Amino acid sequence: AQTVTQSQPEMSVQEAETVTLSCTYDTSESDYYLFWYKQPPSRQMILVIRQEAYKQQNATENRFSVNFQKAAKSFSLKISDSQLGDAAMYFCAYRSEGAQKLVFGQGTRLTINP
Amino acid sequence: DTGVSQNPRHKITKRGQNVTFRCDPISEHNRLYWYRQTLGQGPEFLTYFQNEAQLEKSRLLSDRFSAERPKGSFSTLEIQRTEQGDSAMYLCASTEGAYEQYFGPGTRLTVT
Repeated sequence: AQTVTQSQPEMSVQEAETVTLSCTYDTSESDYYLFWYKQPPSRQMILVIRQEAYKQQNATENRFSVNFQKAAKSFSLKISDSQLGDAAMYFCAYRSEGAQKLVFGQGTRLTINP
Repeated sequence: DTGVSQNPRHKITKRGQNVTFRCDPISEHNRLYWYRQTLGQGPEFLTYFQNEAQLEKSRLLSDRFSAERPKGSFSTLEIQRTEQGDSAMYLCASTEGAYEQYFGPGTRLTVT
């Protein structure tokens, strides 16, 4: 079974600085998708960014980018120019090609200091 | 359509009672998912529907749990004879088959 591990329960960063959240996963499959979801306090989870395993190029969405290292099974999220609205729980998630369910990590709580 | 909705948002029940939650997906989405999230943890998959067919169930979905999606529209999740261990946030998500699952706000269940 696939597993996702987020080793940083909490992270904090100064507003306007850059922060990197770590994620590792375990799988024997070659085709899969990786996601970062954001869950603000008392609000619903939203997708931040996704990465297809077959793509070598790292995904980027505005201030959010990933560092996807397939051989190392690592998928980190970099947030540039951190804003107060970035404060949330961040979950790394995995989905096998052809499967439906998402497998989530334990989450990282990100605090932005003004 | 403003997104996935779930009702109720909060439910407090006594141990042994039955509870039912409702999820209304985004209208054109044919796939619907239920997840459970306990405090400080990531969501865990419970079950998945494509239209009205329940195609996958997790081992977490014990015999006390049942989910339905009549006519492929809204879905209900029922928990019979609730236990304190059932206390969690129950999340619903939907998709039309693309990459992203759109999540609802969740139903927080507290079993006393």
